Amino acid sequence: EPEVTQTPSHQVTQMGQEVILRCVPISNHLYFYWYRQILGQKVEFLVSFYNNEISEKSEIFDDQFSVERPDGSNFTLKIRSTKLEDSAMYFCASSEALRPEQFFGPGTRLTVL
Amino acid sequence: RKEVEQDPGPFNVPEGATVAFNCTYSNSASQSFFWYRQDCRKEPKLLMSVYSSGNEDGRFTAQLNRASQYISLLIRDSKLSDSATYLCVATFSGSARQLTFGSGTQLTVLP
Repeated sequence: EPEVTQTPSHQVTQMGQEVILRCVPISNHLYFYWYRQILGQKVEFLVSFYNNEISEKSEIFDDQFSVERPDGSNFTLKIRSTKLEDSAMYFCASSEALRPEQFFGPGTRLTVL
Repeated sequence: RKEVEQDPGPFNVPEGATVAFNCTYSNSASQSFFWYRQDCRKEPKLLMSVYSSGNEDGRFTAQLNRASQYISLLIRDSKLSDSATYLCVATFSGSARQLTFGSGTQLTVLP
């Protein structure tokens, strides 16, 4: 069964540094997403991406964040100048064009020190 | 306002029991509804979509009541492996691809 994959599984960084989180969505999916979950809190939507551009974004997704599909398989989330409060689990998800169900990757645990 | 509210539990039930979870959503224009399960420190996994007519998948039954803005999940003959957090999820009109998650209901099935 096809799966969303994410790397790395755990990323530790110093405050102020830039990180790039990587995802490989399911191959025939056309919508891609990033969500985050701070420990003990709800899963929160960050951004959706379709046809090489952002289709929706939340208030959390400010200028510190950017997404890119650098090639035909990868989807990345870049966080510039990380803050302590960026520490969270970051989940990538993908979905087919005509169905609303989203399938999540295993997540990257980001720890900002 | 886009909110999904769930009873956080925890629900502790014996193996074989039937357990029901409820969820309410804030916006009558909500479009799509799902139940996901999440194991500790793992990703949300899609359990089932929720359709207006109600739907069943094995031991799991989901119901939607649009008039009351209410969704339910019924688990019959619960197994030890059903122990997880169950997340009620909705999308709202104008944000069809943005999943809004509830805080989850924790279930522990006891031997």
